[in-house]
Amino acid sequence: EPEVTQTPSHQVTQMGQEVILRCVPISNHLYFYWYRQILGQKVEFLVSFYNNEISEKSEIFDDQFSVERPDGSNFTLKIRSTKLEDSAMYFCASDGGGLETQYFGPGTRLLVL
Amino acid sequence: SQQGEEDPQALSIQEGENATMNCSYKTSINNLQWYRQNSGRGLVHLILIRSNEREKHSGRLRVTLDTSKKSSSLLITASRAADTASYFCGSLGAQKLVFGQGTRLTINP
Repeated sequence: EPEVTQTPSHQVTQMGQEVILRCVPISNHLYFYWYRQILGQKVEFLVSFYNNEISEKSEIFDDQFSVERPDGSNFTLKIRSTKLEDSAMYFCASDGGGLETQYFGPGTRLLVL
Repeated sequence: SQQGEEDPQALSIQEGENATMNCSYKTSINNLQWYRQNSGRGLVHLILIRSNEREKHSGRLRVTLDTSKKSSSLLITASRAADTASYFCGSLGAQKLVFGQGTRLTINP
């Protein structure tokens, strides 16, 4: 069964460093998303991406965040200058139609020191 | 803004019993999706119910949706130890899912 994959599974970085989180959505899906979950809290929407552009973003998704689909398979989230409060589990998701089931990847646990 | 909220926050039952979790949301939706999350892991999709549906079944899962009350419930019948996890509802309006805090379900053997 097709699944969303994410790398790395864990990342530890120093405050102020740039990180890139990578996702490979399900191959025939068209809509891509990033969510995050701070430890013990609910899953929060960050951004949605369709047709090579951001279609919606949350207040969390400020100028330090960016997303890119550099090729036909990868979908990346870049955090330019990490802060302590960026420590969280980051989930990528994809769906085929925009109002369909969103399939989530296993997540990348980011720890900013 | 939309906000899904689940209750109870925690539920502990004996294996074999049924577990019911509730979810509320605040604005109109296209569908509502239930997910399971084992500790520290990813979200596993369980079931999607559309705004024009009132009830849906999938194996031991039964989901209801009441759009007039902006609420949904997830029933897991004949619970098993492997059902121990956190359960989240995500309400889908335009594109983004809005999740609540989740229900932490513990199945005692």
